[in-house]
Amino acid sequence: DAGVTQSPTHLIKTRGQQVTLRCSPKSGHDTVSWYQQALGQGPQFIFQYYEEEERQRGNFPDRFSGHQFPNYSSELNVNALLLGDSALYLCASSFRGIGEQFFGPGTRLTVL
Amino acid sequence: DQQVKQNSPSLSVQEGRISILNCDYTNSMFDYFLWYKKYPAEGPTFLISISSIKDKNEDGRFTVFLNKSAKHLSLHIVPSQPGDSAVYFCAASVIPSNTGKLIFGQGTTLQVKP
Repeated sequence: DAGVTQSPTHLIKTRGQQVTLRCSPKSGHDTVSWYQQALGQGPQFIFQYYEEEERQRGNFPDRFSGHQFPNYSSELNVNALLLGDSALYLCASSFRGIGEQFFGPGTRLTVL
Repeated sequence: DQQVKQNSPSLSVQEGRISILNCDYTNSMFDYFLWYKKYPAEGPTFLISISSIKDKNEDGRFTVFLNKSAKHLSLHIVPSQPGDSAVYFCAASVIPSNTGKLIFGQGTTLQVKP
């Protein structure tokens, strides 16, 4: 039973570029949440997708957008990258957003 | 606005002893709390949770205590093992919203010495 998978593992971009991160949820899960973890901080909620729609959003600008596909996998897109977007991006899945969330290993994004 | 706080950035204990990690929260709407453990280069791993209708929940060596009046929860690990060395995050959410948005603390790095 595969857990939550994310790709790529690492990514290096320059300011102003755009990036797409991908996530496949744990088998049986239908809800995907994205978190940003800056160095030395706890994960911060970006948004959550359920039934292919954004259900809830954290305090992140519109440069951060997402998508959920019919197979429940999800993408996180970040436009006009800033140096401050450098962080570990974590994807978590759950069933209907209830109970514990299972996290993937994350994508380390570095913006130069 | 840090709604969930872990005021101790690090904790060091001897193998076999008890580890106590603390967490405070400010939002009285929180009614579901979780602890996650994170190793370097891995995502957070769920450890244990507690809902606000309980004040204690045990799972093997891990026990979480919730004091709602003080808005405080703690994670006890007994006995501590070197493999427990990791960063521990507490997280909180509001169940009725059914969205599962988790608010995390900053984390506490636990080192268990052999």
